[in-house]
Amino acid sequence: QSVLTQPPSVSAAPGQKVTISCSGSSSYIGNNYVSWYQQLPGTAPKLLIYDNNKRPSGIPDRFSGSKSATSATLGITGLQTGDEADYYCGTWDSSLRAGVFGGGTKLTVL
Amino acid sequence: QVTLKESGPALVKPTQTLTLTCTFSGFSLSTRGMRVSWIRQPPGKALEWLARTDWDDDKFYSTSLKTRLTISKDTSKNQVVLTMTNMDPVDTATYYCARMLGSYPSYYFDYWGQGTLVTVSS
Repeated sequence: QSVLTQPPSVSAAPGQKVTISCSGSSSYIGNNYVSWYQQLPGTAPKLLIYDNNKRPSGIPDRFSGSKSATSATLGITGLQTGDEADYYCGTWDSSLRAGVFGGGTKLTVL
Repeated sequence: QVTLKESGPALVKPTQTLTLTCTFSGFSLSTRGMRVSWIRQPPGKALEWLARTDWDDDKFYSTSLKTRLTISKDTSKNQVVLTMTNMDPVDTATYYCARMLGSYPSYYFDYWGQGTLVTVSS
């Protein structure tokens, strides 16, 4: 069981918008920055968002991130079939001095 | 160009010790701010962070696995080695190494290896 809670699955139609939540205690999310990773089937995870809302070079602005006190959200607009993947949130637990990930959310583009 | 690649045995027996090597290029672990972590993923399950080594030789471990894990680095070879003792079938997973950037309170994995599947079975 992951310390960061994500919905197991979300779905939406092509062209629509979807959000994926990541909730946790203040020691995980409240005091640290959140990153998001996309894992396409059979591949390694890929960094999508870091520092809650920053995109690495090459990541389209269809992907966005936000954070409140104890939760973070990944938003994806203009959904494409190629966005079908598992999405993971992650952060660093400053008290345990350890990395933590959410349980992952499977995105289906109907 | 940053690349990382994991290597090690595909099959280990229960109770054996697993040794995995991450060979990387495009950065140096002697450069301030550079870190490498190991992360694993059992088939069909979520990512699990295992360990981290930093440019200044600081090391961190998963609290649930710390008694079984050792991480080390060879800066001259651009390699990071993870050993895990007393392997069990539940340790069957794809093991990834990843470069970790940022500074407190922001840490993130910007480059990942392709992963190596380790199966624990007699």
